[in-house]
Order: sequence, then structure tokens, then C-alpha cells
Amino acid sequence: KAGVTQTPRYLIKTRGQQVTLSCSPISGHRSVSWYQQTPGQGLQFLFEYFSETQRNKGNFPGRFSGRQFSNSRSEMNVSTLELGDSALYLCASARQGMDGYTFGSGTRLTVV
Amino acid sequence: KQEVTQIPAALSVPEGENLVLNCSFTDSAIYNLQWFRQDHGKGLTSLLLIQSSQREQTSGRLNASLDKSSGRSTLYIAASQPGDSATYLCAVPQGGSEKLVFGKGTKLTVNP
Repeated sequence: KAGVTQTPRYLIKTRGQQVTLSCSPISGHRSVSWYQQTPGQGLQFLFEYFSETQRNKGNFPGRFSGRQFSNSRSEMNVSTLELGDSALYLCASARQGMDGYTFGSGTRLTVV
Repeated sequence: KQEVTQIPAALSVPEGENLVLNCSFTDSAIYNLQWFRQDHGKGLTSLLLIQSSQREQTSGRLNASLDKSSGRSTLYIAASQPGDSATYLCAVPQGGSEKLVFGKGTKLTVNP
């Protein structure tokens, strides 16, 4: 059974640019969540989508956005990148939260 | 607001030792608790999921317990091995939402 797939694995971007990260959930999983992990702040929730609807949103600026497609694949976008956006971005999927979440390997974003 | 604390922050033990990692949370109105393992710079691997109606779950050398009323969970690792070296994270949902709140983790080093 294929796991949660995140692409790309690594990204280097320049300040002011924008970036799009992709997440393919496990087949049959309709809930997709995104998290940012940094050494200082730990794991912080960005947003959660279920059947193409954003159900929950974390405390991040509007530069962070996401969407979910009809096949449950999800993308997140960060515009006007700042140095502080350098982090490991993790995607997780579940049939529903009560079933527990499976995480992907993450995308390591470096902003220079 | 849900807050999760993990003690200790770091632990170094000799191979073969049995050990306990602790997790506490402030809001006991959770529907489950999940333990994860993270190898350096990698994604999260789910270890155990305990539903709120359960008191413990076991997988191989791992045993996790949950005491909802006191807001505590423990992860017991039997006969530790160098391959167990990683950061262990516990996570609980915030309120009735799909948002997971993570502790800062316990970094475990098992010395040969």
C-alpha cells in the first residue's frame, strides 16, 4: 500500500519568490493536513482539508495557502518567501482523524 | 487551548535497557492520542494510536498507555536497541478538530 507522497523532497528558493508543494495522500484518505516543522517552534499546524474544503486553519499569515483537488491530492503555496519560512513541511492523511494520521517524508524548503 | 508536554527532552541509555517516555496534555477531551517516531530530518512514522476508550496499545517492544482523566500517556520501550535512536513525539487533537497538537519530543539515544 503506497504511503503519503510529497514532492519535491528538497527545494531552494530566494526571498520574495513563491513555492508550491504537493502531497498525494493514501488511496481512500480524504483528510489531508499540512504542518511546518522548525527547530525553534517544533511542529505547527498549517491547515486541514477534507473533500476539497478547508476545515481547519492554523495561525499562519495569508501568504500560506492550500487547496485540495477532487482526487484528494493537495497542494500548499507560500508566496513572497521569507528566510523564516525555511522549514520541513509535512503532509499527513487519514480517512478521518479518529483513524490516526499517516505522514509523508516531507519537503525541506530552504529560503536564501 | 491544548498544550502537550514531553519529558524528558533527551534521554541516553545503554542498549538493552527498558525505558519510559512521558507525555502530558492539558485538555482531556481527546478522541485519541498518537505516538510517532522521527529520524533526524525525516518524516514522522506512526508507532501507536490509542483511542480514548482504550487504556493501552502494544506493538512489538512498544507499549503505550493512556490515562485521559489525568491527561497523561506513557510510551514504554522494552529491551532498547541502537536502531531505536530517534525523536519520539506524541500528538493529540485540539478540541474536536482534526488539528494535531504535538509535544516538542524526546530525543532518545541508545548506545551500543
